[in-house]
Amino acid sequence: GENVEQHPSTLSVQEGDSAVIKCTYSDSASNYFPWYKQELGKRPQLIIDIRSNVGEKKDQRIAVTLNKTAKHFSLHITETQPEDSAVYFCAASRRAAGNKLTFGGGTRVLVKP
Amino acid sequence: NAGVTQTPKFQVLKTGQSMTLQCAQDMNHEYMSWYRQDPGMGLRLIHYSVGAGITDQGEVPNGYNVSRSTTEDFPLRLLSAAPSQTSVYFCASSYVAHHYNEQFFGPGTRLTVL
Repeated sequence: GENVEQHPSTLSVQEGDSAVIKCTYSDSASNYFPWYKQELGKRPQLIIDIRSNVGEKKDQRIAVTLNKTAKHFSLHITETQPEDSAVYFCAASRRAAGNKLTFGGGTRVLVKP
Repeated sequence: NAGVTQTPKFQVLKTGQSMTLQCAQDMNHEYMSWYRQDPGMGLRLIHYSVGAGITDQGEVPNGYNVSRSTTEDFPLRLLSAAPSQTSVYFCASSYVAHHYNEQFFGPGTRLTVL
């Protein structure tokens, strides 16, 4: 089955700096890659996603890039703010698996004011 | 819309006890799933369903049962609780029409097994 690895497990940045989280996946048939944000004590919520026919997608201060050849994708957060402090999860799925998502282990991001 | 709801929010069990975690959604989603979240291990899929009467196993199904008699409800049963099942459990749902659908998560149930 699919295996998703996520790095780093923790990330501390100064407010205003950029944060980058990287994920690798094992199943070359995976074609959908969502990112979820989970604030302390809350439920995960989708913040951005990318499909395999797209190399990059941006939504305000967040962007995701995908390299299908290398089987890795990354989340970029620019101009970080204290409210960006949370745990971020990447995930992957493939069409044949329906809606099943395989998640990475998560990255705890701390934005220091 | 209430979205995805879960009860209870917190539960403490003794080893060997059984219980049912409840999950309901009012968005008419065909797909529903259960995850457990343990520190450093992300979210792992326990069981899932693509519609009423259809269930299947995920990555970590042992010790859990599910059923899907209605579109709205997807209860998770712990048959004989073990300390290894101490975790936070999330239910999630989405449309099935194509697999790029956002999965909506419930608020979670924090379970402790003593």
